[in-house]
Amino acid sequence: GAGVSQSPRYKVAKRGQDVALRCDPISGHVSLFWYQQALGQGPEFLTYFQNEAQLDKSGLPSDRFFAERPEGSVSTLKIQRTQQEDSAVYLCASSWGSGGATYEQYFGPGTRLTVT
Amino acid sequence: DAKTTQPNSMESNEEEPVHLPCNHSTISGTDYIHWYRQLPSQGPEYVIHGLTSNVNNRMASLAIAEDRKSSTLILHRATLRDAAVYYCILRDVGTDKLIFGTGTRLQVFP
Repeated sequence: GAGVSQSPRYKVAKRGQDVALRCDPISGHVSLFWYQQALGQGPEFLTYFQNEAQLDKSGLPSDRFFAERPEGSVSTLKIQRTQQEDSAVYLCASSWGSGGATYEQYFGPGTRLTVT
Repeated sequence: DAKTTQPNSMESNEEEPVHLPCNHSTISGTDYIHWYRQLPSQGPEYVIHGLTSNVNNRMASLAIAEDRKSSTLILHRATLRDAAVYYCILRDVGTDKLIFGTGTRLQVFP
């Protein structure tokens, strides 16, 4: 079956522009996660949805970052007024369950954002 | 959150077994041990997880120390495709997010 897909795969934005990154999770997966990965580092958690409810947004670095999942499937991560330090790979992951430490997460290929 | 310590890098030859260590001395009783790996230019992928007993699946084996303060991911026969960064992650039973460290970069030579 289809895995997690993300679009665009690459995005170049000028400093100050707004960007929107899309994630299509595996159909039927309840949980959706966004992670940010800087070059040479491990992914860092940004935010988590259970269906349409955003249960944890503790990792969002500033109020310029906003995520939504209005119908409990597709999710969008929006970054307003991009800055150079926002340059990173943004990873989306989904899992079929929630509330348990055994559910594996399935990751998409990521969107590489470069802010110039 | 309990932390893990992994070597920065390891090397192996193709078709040899690989033992990737992970120390987690502050692990709590409800922490599961998860391993993910990330191939170049891809998102991470799940490898294996366990709580107390050793675990085997088609990808790897996970050996967990009796005191649970360390674990070892075992790739029985490394292939070139196994070259990746391997992350050892502790995940509490009430936690859905993954907290990655910097992982171990595994190089596999033909």
